[in-house]
Amino acid sequence: EVQLVETGGGLIQPGGSLRLSCAASGFTVSSNYMSWVRQAPGKGLEWVSVIYSGGSTYYADSVKGRFTISRDNSKNTLYLQMNSLRAEDTAVYYCARDLRGYSYGRYYYYMDVWGKGTTVTVSS
Amino acid sequence: SYELTQPPSVSVSPGQTASITCSGDKLGDKYACWYQQKPGQSPVLVIYQDSKRPSGIPERFSGSNSGNTATLTISGTQAMDEADYYCQAWDSSLRVFGTGTKVTVL
Repeated sequence: EVQLVETGGGLIQPGGSLRLSCAASGFTVSSNYMSWVRQAPGKGLEWVSVIYSGGSTYYADSVKGRFTISRDNSKNTLYLQMNSLRAEDTAVYYCARDLRGYSYGRYYYYMDVWGKGTTVTVSS
Repeated sequence: SYELTQPPSVSVSPGQTASITCSGDKLGDKYACWYQQKPGQSPVLVIYQDSKRPSGIPERFSGSNSGNTATLTISGTQAMDEADYYCQAWDSSLRVFGTGTKVTVL
């Protein structure tokens, strides 16, 4: 069964750091694109970051320079290192498998498997 | 940065058709997908590549994309379809979600 399980969330003070983990089963993280998506309380979905199978990484402007996405191939696990946390980073953080296809000269992407999320609360 | 705009809410009677729009600059030149999210649950993919349904998604869900607007249509809406719906596209390697639409089945 294809599954993603996020861990590592919690209560952290502003300016602090936290590392989220996303353990995958049923498929290989390193062979796929993987994204982090967050959802602030009562708000919509916000894409955070993606790591490509080749290792390239991309970030939303709101987290660039503060967050780092990575993976451990031996553990089949995705990570999100979050530094200099702010109150506005408070959210449920989801990891998702980010698939790519190509049709009629264009790429398309979609997230087909999602974890249940882990909650990050940034507050003093 | 690229933006996708959705109506905040859509109301529909059981058995009727609900249409949810997603607007973005030249969105029809990209591919869009759609997610359903029920309270307290993770998002679920319902449409990808503009109009394709993943395995297990009912046929009453369909999608289209042209010009500046992508549309998710729910035909014969059921009470279980009451949820938030988000469109998503990508631009310059960045993923972008729409603002979200709450569908209420009255």
